[in-house]
Amino acid sequence: SQQGEEDPQALSIQEGENATMNCSYKTSINNLQWYRQNSGRGLVHLILIRSNEREKHSGRLRVTLDTSKKSSSLLITASRAADTASYFCATDRGNTPLVFGKGTRLSVIA
Amino acid sequence: DTEVTQTPKHLVMGMTNKKSLKCEQHMGHRAMYWYKQKAKKPPELMFVYSYEKLSINESVPSRFSPECPNSSLLNLHLHALQPEDSALYLCASSHPSSAGHRNQPQHFGDGTRLSIL
Repeated sequence: SQQGEEDPQALSIQEGENATMNCSYKTSINNLQWYRQNSGRGLVHLILIRSNEREKHSGRLRVTLDTSKKSSSLLITASRAADTASYFCATDRGNTPLVFGKGTRLSVIA
Repeated sequence: DTEVTQTPKHLVMGMTNKKSLKCEQHMGHRAMYWYKQKAKKPPELMFVYSYEKLSINESVPSRFSPECPNSSLLNLHLHALQPEDSALYLCASSHPSSAGHRNQPQHFGDGTRLSIL
C-alpha cells in the first residue's frame, strides 16, 4: 500500500513550542502534500513538495522530504492555539489519486 | 470560509430514504472528488470526475451514485444506505492531473455530516 503513516498519532505541546510531525510511506512517489483539518471542517492544503525537492518553507511551516528513507517531516515553529488540528500527509505517484496517511492530532495548549 | 460549498451541512436519513449531497465550486477546477471520512480516520477516496467524466470509482457500493452535471457542480445521490455509511462526506476540487502534469493541491469543502438511522 502507498498509504503514508504519520507519527506521532497525537502530540500535545505548549503555545510557543515547535511541533514536529513525521510521515513515512512505502512506495516511490511524485509529490507529497501536507493538509490540516480543524475539528468538524474540511481539509486545508498547506504545502506540496515534489520528489526532487528536499525542503520547502511557507511562513511558520517547514517541510522536508527524504526519498531515500521514504519519509517527510512537517515542522510548525512558534505554535499557537489556532494550530490545534489534525495534520495529514498525502502522496501520489504521478497520475494517481492522492492517498492520505492516518494523521497526527496536534493540541497546542495556551 | 471555503471556496468549495457543500450542502447540506448535516443530514439524517432512514435506510429507505433517497437524498442527495451537493457540491459547488467556481474556481475553474475541472477535477472534482468525493471522499468519505470516519471519525479520527483519514479521508477515503470514493469517486473522481475529470472534465465532467467519471474517471475513478474506488469500488463504491451502488447505493452511492455520483453525478457531475457541469464543471461547477458535483452531486452524490444516496439510496438505501446502511448505518455504517454514517460519516463525513467531503467534496474537493483541483486542476486535473494528466500525463506530465503532476497532482495539484485539492480544495475541500467543509463536508456533509451524514447519519443513517
